Amino acid sequence: SAVISQKPSRDICQRGTSLTIQCQVDSQVTMMFWYRQQPGQSLTLIATANQGSEATYESGFVIDKFPISRPNLTFSTLTVSNMSPEDSSIYLCSDMGQFNTEAFFGQGTRLTVV
Amino acid sequence: GQNIDQPTEMTATEGAIVQINCTYQTSGFNGLFWYQQHAGEAPTFLSYNVLDGLEEKGRFSSFLSRSKGYSYLLLKELQMKDSASYLCAVRRDGTLTFGKGTMLLVSP
Repeated sequence: SAVISQKPSRDICQRGTSLTIQCQVDSQVTMMFWYRQQPGQSLTLIATANQGSEATYESGFVIDKFPISRPNLTFSTLTVSNMSPEDSSIYLCSDMGQFNTEAFFGQGTRLTVV
Repeated sequence: GQNIDQPTEMTATEGAIVQINCTYQTSGFNGLFWYQQHAGEAPTFLSYNVLDGLEEKGRFSSFLSRSKGYSYLLLKELQMKDSASYLCAVRRDGTLTFGKGTMLLVSP
């Protein structure tokens, strides 16, 4: 199983600033994803991070607010831009295993915007 | 679109067996996943079903019926540490759509 390292694990940020979250996988994976989990809620997919091309965003999420990079098959970043208290949430990266029968998550980034 | 339903909460006693159901309606289906999530932690992968039938993995088993849009997670010999949220997720193409999760409370 792939090991996903995500950082930072938590941060407290001022409104109006931006935070970049990094996700490193210990093996090459075809697909990487970014999710948000708001307090007491389930996971919502933000976007699919595509290697070498623009990310594919889900309804309600836009590139200007959540720019994503994926420079290679083991690494991706998610930036939460111009933050507001409503962005306080846990952000998780995920991959799909080689045979698409497993999907693992990073440890998550607990973001608090004040 | 996709609609995934799970009970919000369940309670059970230590040593017992509990079944957590998940029903789904989706325009495409490419597998169903179950995850366990303890408070403040990331989800942990439990099981994957893409064909009908039962997959057993130690104390945990997962069942799928594609024709009925139905899955369940069966937990045997419950332990206190099994108290957690259990998430059902349906895959369509490569992405996962999650249900709201079932909070399981195991009592002594």
